[in-house]
Amino acid sequence: EAGVVQSPRYKIIEKKQPVAFWCNPISGHNTLYWYLQNLGQGPELLIRYENEEAVDDSQLPKDRFSAERLKGVDSTLKIQPAELGDSAVYLCASSPGTNGNEQFFGPGTRLTVL
Amino acid sequence: AQSVTQLDSQVPVFEEAPVELRCNYSSSVSVYLFWYVQYPNQGLQLLLKYLSGSTLVKGINGFEAEFNKSQTSFHLRKPSVHISDTAEYFCAVSETGGFKTIFGAGTRLFVKA
Repeated sequence: EAGVVQSPRYKIIEKKQPVAFWCNPISGHNTLYWYLQNLGQGPELLIRYENEEAVDDSQLPKDRFSAERLKGVDSTLKIQPAELGDSAVYLCASSPGTNGNEQFFGPGTRLTVL
Repeated sequence: AQSVTQLDSQVPVFEEAPVELRCNYSSSVSVYLFWYVQYPNQGLQLLLKYLSGSTLVKGINGFEAEFNKSQTSFHLRKPSVHISDTAEYFCAVSETGGFKTIFGAGTRLFVKA
């Protein structure tokens, strides 16, 4: 069974440029998460989807970040414009949706903003 | 609101020695507890989880953890570590009946030959 797929794995951009990350969760997983992981820190939730609905986006900086999961399968996270402080690893995870289930993580996208 | 504190940011240990990675949590309601491992340039992978029942939980790669409700702890242990156990370990908590998972800052385990 394929795991969570993320692309690109690495991205280097100039500040003020836009950037997008893509995630394809494990087939059949209704719940999809985007996390931000700063160096030396644990993942911090940005947004959680149940199918195509964003049910928790309270930690998403909506002035520059946006996300979508139009058909309830794959998802895109966008930053526009990027700032220096956005340099981090962006992790996508999915789960079958039942409370208490483990989350399956993708390898992440490492973003460097210059 | 919940929180997770991993008491050690780094733990160096010699190969074949035992190790304990400490985790304390704070919550006003009952919780589920998890330990994840992250190898370099990879995503997190579940080691073990506590949902209910026996407070001693066994996971993959010979790891185990014990849930102590009175001390609000969920320490991870392994009796004999290998070089390949070198990685970042994250303790996490979520409320029963909720979906939000809070992760600790991580403990870097470094196994030396």
